[in-house]
Amino acid sequence: DTAVSQTPKYLVTQMGNDKSIKCEQNLGHDTMYWYKQDSKKFLKIMFSYNNKELIINETVPNRFSPKSPDKAHLNLHINSLELGDSAVYFCASSQGLTSGRTQETQYFGPGTRLLVL
Amino acid sequence: AQSVAQPEDQVNVAEGNPLTVKCTYSVSGNPYLFWYVQYPNRGLQFLLKYITGDNLVKGSYGFEAEFNKSQTSFHLKKPSALVSDSALYFCAVRGFSGGYNKLIFGAGTRLAVHP
Repeated sequence: DTAVSQTPKYLVTQMGNDKSIKCEQNLGHDTMYWYKQDSKKFLKIMFSYNNKELIINETVPNRFSPKSPDKAHLNLHINSLELGDSAVYFCASSQGLTSGRTQETQYFGPGTRLLVL
Repeated sequence: AQSVAQPEDQVNVAEGNPLTVKCTYSVSGNPYLFWYVQYPNRGLQFLLKYITGDNLVKGSYGFEAEFNKSQTSFHLKKPSALVSDSALYFCAVRGFSGGYNKLIFGAGTRLAVHP
């Protein structure tokens, strides 16, 4: 059983296009995340949702719009794709990530490799 | 400032030898520390974490990490390396963003275990 799944696994597209990446977790977690891993493998958080509400937005361009239809899903829509958006995007989930509570382990999806030409 | 440093881009070790992957951190308050491993073309897999308690934490695949508060370090160790341990290793610390917790990752260390 896949705990955190992402689709598609690979995405090749032209500059200026709009694309979406989907993420689903079956762990019953209440918090989900999007991370970007650049070509140098540096990993940085983009967004976090807790119970379908946005709680972290790390100065990501407005072209990136996350949406969480329910606690088990967090999608990422990217408008007007640019060359610099080429990266691997990871979804993750955890339970109970609110301030003051014990940090719970984050579980990661397999990643979506986005290449913008 | 909240940060994690992994001073080595790559660590090379012979199979059967002990390995150490270094990590130091900077965070206010009590640190919550994590190690993740990334195999080629795969997502990150959780290895172990330190929240409180014993400074030596044991995790998956025979890995362990030692928390040292005075040196602000959380080095990953394994007594006997396997070729299959070759991967990218990330250290992370709990940080904060707008009152909410987040993970801050180091730049990663590539471990190469040769036969």
